[in-house]
Amino acid sequence: EPEVTQTPSHQVTQMGQEVILRCVPISNHLYFYWYRQILGQKVEFLVSFYNNEISEKSEIFDDQFSVERPDGSNFTLKIRSTKLEDSAMYFCASRERSGGSPLHFGNGTRLTVT
Amino acid sequence: GDSVTQMEGPVTLSEEAFLTINCTYTATGYPSLFWYVQYPGEGLQLLLKATKADDKGSNKGFEATYRKETTSFHLEKGSVQVSDSAVYFCALSDPGNAGKSTFGDGTTLTVKP
Repeated sequence: EPEVTQTPSHQVTQMGQEVILRCVPISNHLYFYWYRQILGQKVEFLVSFYNNEISEKSEIFDDQFSVERPDGSNFTLKIRSTKLEDSAMYFCASRERSGGSPLHFGNGTRLTVT
Repeated sequence: GDSVTQMEGPVTLSEEAFLTINCTYTATGYPSLFWYVQYPGEGLQLLLKATKADDKGSNKGFEATYRKETTSFHLEKGSVQVSDSAVYFCALSDPGNAGKSTFGDGTTLTVKP
């Protein structure tokens, strides 16, 4: 079964540094998302992406965050200047179409900011 | 805005016990409802879904019925196994909102032999 793949699985960075988290969604999916999870519990929406542009973003997704789909397969999340509170598990997800189809999640990137 | 309220955990049960995890939602429009499961060290996986009122989603012995009148989607299983130990998330997806999904806070289930 096709799956969403994320790299790296774990990223350690120093405060103020830039990080890029990478994702390869399922190939025939049209909608792409980034979520984050802190302490293994609450799953927080960051951003949705459709038709090569951001559809919606949360309050968390401020000017330090950006997303790109540079080549039709990869979907990246960039954090320009990381803060300690950005430490979390970041999940990429995709879905075939809007609404009733389920999200397919990658296994996540654990970001640790020191 | 949309929201999902999930029964607080953690929940600890003995093997073969009956499981209920309550979930209620608030949404504009007519959302689709989902239960996802997360095993340690992994991403979330779809467990079951229902896309309209009175639909029952089922998978691996788990069931949930979309109750529009009570805005609920409670998860049930008649006889849990140790392998069911995981974190369970209730979620909704609003068709009119770029398909964004809103998640409950998650309920950690531990099943003891």
